[in-house]
Amino acid sequence: ILNVEQSPQSLHVQEGDSTNFTCSFPSSNFYALHWYRWETAKSPEALFVMTLNGDEKKKGRISATLNTKEGYSYLYIKGSQPEDSATYLCAFSLYNFNKFYFGSGTKLNVKP
Amino acid sequence: DVKVTQSSRYLVKRTGEKVFLECVQDMDHENMFWYRQDPGLGLRLIYFSYDVKMKEKGDIPEGYSVSREKKERFSLILESASTNQTSMYLCASSGRSGRPQHFGDGTRLSIL
Repeated sequence: ILNVEQSPQSLHVQEGDSTNFTCSFPSSNFYALHWYRWETAKSPEALFVMTLNGDEKKKGRISATLNTKEGYSYLYIKGSQPEDSATYLCAFSLYNFNKFYFGSGTKLNVKP
Repeated sequence: DVKVTQSSRYLVKRTGEKVFLECVQDMDHENMFWYRQDPGLGLRLIYFSYDVKMKEKGDIPEGYSVSREKKERFSLILESASTNQTSMYLCASSGRSGRPQHFGDGTRLSIL
């Protein structure tokens, strides 16, 4: 089992704050890194897929970066809103394998 | 949009019962997955399938079996339910290797 670690486990911020969290993964045999947002009572929703070292992706106020050499990815949320409250999961996949290895997630709570 | 449908949102069963969780996807995806999610542990892979009648054990297959008789349907079977199988179960599907997995809404299963 490959270890994917996310930190922090949970985060409480005020509306308007910017925040970021980390996903660490094994750097060997890397293929892709995925970020998901999982809101309560809904299914996890894919945010980003990143495959190249140095990749940066952006979707509205949310962006992500990837460093495959050192094995980490950051997710940033600019100007957090209450609707950003969710658990953010990252998942790592190896070359040519269909299995994902998920972290335990960062639970974000944005207070109005 | 990909639709992954799980047969029940909530299910209550008794110890020793045989339990079936059904999952159907409508995007002709080759790969299908069953996960369980427990607090603090993230998503753990139980079984996956990359083709009809094919199955692979995930990280925690003990106490479970699966069936994939048709491409769109992947069933998880608890042969003799036990209380430690009380959990949230998520089904997912994906196309070719490395692409995002698409999730169902989950089944919260309680074994009494």
